[in-house]
Amino acid sequence: NAGVTQTPKFRVLKTGQSMTLLCAQDMNHEYMYWYRQDPGMGLRLIHYSVGEGTTAKGEVPDGYNVSRLKKQNFLLGLESAAPSQTSVYFCASSYMGSSSNQPQHFGDGTRLSIL
Amino acid sequence: DAKTTQPNSMESNEEEPVHLPCNHSTISGTDYIHWYRQLPSQGPEYVIHGLTSNVNNRMASLAIAEDRKSSTLILHRATLRDAAVYYCILHDNNNDMRFGAGTRLTVKP
Repeated sequence: NAGVTQTPKFRVLKTGQSMTLLCAQDMNHEYMYWYRQDPGMGLRLIHYSVGEGTTAKGEVPDGYNVSRLKKQNFLLGLESAAPSQTSVYFCASSYMGSSSNQPQHFGDGTRLSIL
Repeated sequence: DAKTTQPNSMESNEEEPVHLPCNHSTISGTDYIHWYRQLPSQGPEYVIHGLTSNVNNRMASLAIAEDRKSSTLILHRATLRDAAVYYCILHDNNNDMRFGAGTRLTVKP
């Protein structure tokens, strides 16, 4: 099993451009998450999804949109990229049920630079 | 959200045990204690979690204080591959795990 796969691994954008980050998981997990990690800091939750067709805001949702059209995929969109969104983005997934009792499985990240 | 406090950094010698402390004095009764680690240029990796009782798995042991206000992650025999940032996180059912800055563990050969 591949686990959690993020595409692309690296990207450089110009301010104002748009792009979509793709997260795919093959573990049949219900829950999926998008985090960002800035240098020297821990991860912060952007948006999450508790099932196909549902999404919710996390700690830092502004400037991002998400979609969960298929259970295995969770997309993170930047409509108009800003330099403040330069970061490493991580996707994670976990089983349904009491989410606090389930470990999250993370991808290897997408390093995004916005000039 | 409940917060955790960890030392910024710790050092260990290879093949010796490592005890990574975490304080969480404001923990609520339903918060699980999770530990993750992050190696350079990789995503976080789940290590262990528990609620009240001590837990053991193939990677580590988790010792939870009786009042649950602190916990300790124990690596029984550190290897160079255990050098990473270790995060102690309180996880309730709001789907939001709050990562702090973690403890950077250095393992010396």
